[in-house]
Amino acid sequence: DAMVIQNPRYQVTQFGKPVTLSCSQTLNHNVMYWYQQKSSQAPKLLFHYYDKDFNNEADTPDNFQSRRPNTSFCFLDIRSPGLGDAAMYLCATSRKFLDFPLNNEQFFGPGTRLTVL
Amino acid sequence: GQQVMQIPQYQHVQEGEDFTTYCNSSTTLSNIQWYKQRPGGHPVFLIQLVKSGEVKKQKRLTFQFGEAKKNSSLHITATQTTDVGTYFCAGLNAGNNRKLIWGLGTSLAVNP
Repeated sequence: DAMVIQNPRYQVTQFGKPVTLSCSQTLNHNVMYWYQQKSSQAPKLLFHYYDKDFNNEADTPDNFQSRRPNTSFCFLDIRSPGLGDAAMYLCATSRKFLDFPLNNEQFFGPGTRLTVL
Repeated sequence: GQQVMQIPQYQHVQEGEDFTTYCNSSTTLSNIQWYKQRPGGHPVFLIQLVKSGEVKKQKRLTFQFGEAKKNSSLHITATQTTDVGTYFCAGLNAGNNRKLIWGLGTSLAVNP
């Protein structure tokens, strides 16, 4: 089945120790998103890739970076995790709205739960 | 900035009672999407509304999009324990169709 895969599902890191979260998709979608979700809150968009066009949200900390080496893969790098970065990180994909105005819903991976000690 | 307000934040019902959550955008939307997130899970797409005044049904769920394409609602008839979760609306801004603007969600608890 076509899907969005995230690895690892659980990640424990130490304060200040860099961590990389990965996402892959078999849906061949052009758009990929990284969200941060804390308990009882809505997903908060960190970045999105519109094809190769990278879009950083204005309030995404510099500590967070992303790479998309090809259509299928996307990475979230947290350079120096702080305690406040502990959260669920969700990767999502979608078709482009302009090409698919009726079918551009987002497909989410299961998420990576990050713990910072 | 653009906002999507969603109310109520929490709703506790007895099984069999109805439930409604409402969303209101500060700007006109190209479409509105609804997602459900079970406890411990990830958001799962439910439906997308595109047309002004559109109404769609999925079994016990009824979705509406306002005439001005600024507000939407989700109504569940005769809730069941399987309806437990957080329901999010998310709108695609007519001026920027690349990313969704998410409501804060309504968390539904159902007593058996």
